Amino acid sequence: SAVISQKPSRDICQRGTSLTIQCQVDSQVTMMFWYRQQPGQSLTLIATANQGSEATYESGFVIDKFPISRPNLTFSTLTVSNMSPEDSSIYLCSSDRTGNEQFFGPGTRLTVL
Amino acid sequence: QKEVEQNSGPLSVPEGAIASLNCTYSDRVSQSFFWYRQYSGKSPELIMSIYSNGDKEDGRFTAQLNKASQYVSLLIRDSQPSDSATYLCAVNIGNFGNEKLTFGTGTRLTIIP
Repeated sequence: SAVISQKPSRDICQRGTSLTIQCQVDSQVTMMFWYRQQPGQSLTLIATANQGSEATYESGFVIDKFPISRPNLTFSTLTVSNMSPEDSSIYLCSSDRTGNEQFFGPGTRLTVL
Repeated sequence: QKEVEQNSGPLSVPEGAIASLNCTYSDRVSQSFFWYRQYSGKSPELIMSIYSNGDKEDGRFTAQLNKASQYVSLLIRDSQPSDSATYLCAVNIGNFGNEKLTFGTGTRLTIIP
């Protein structure tokens, strides 16, 4: 399985600010994914990030709010922009190095005051 | 109808007994099915994947798939307190080449010593 790290592991932010979350995979992968898990809820896919192309966003998520970068085959960032308390959540990145199977990073716990 | 449905539980099982977790899905053409375990405060961990009808065994875990009934289950034999966690069923849903991993809401399992 892929080893995936995320930074920061947690943060407390003021409303109206932005936070960039980094995701690093220990080997080259084609696709990386960003999910949100709100308290007590399951995972919701935000977007899929392929290297060399624009990220593909799911319904309800827009690039202006969640810009994503994918500069190479091992790294991606997700920015949560102009944050509000409703953005308080755990943000997870994953990759599917072994085809269909996705492996997750440890997550970033975000609290917006 | 939700795309992936699970009984949210909680499900309580005595130590040493068999825990049975169930999941149904809506997309008849889905081909890939996964079970993740998520401990409180941690990210999901892939424990089983299954692609063909029938049973797939890995240690104390057995995944069962019935595509005709659109049903996938996870059996945990000889349940241990360390198996207490939320179990997420995930299904690749969508057109070929554009599938997305869709998660159920999870079943919270408690093993009673």
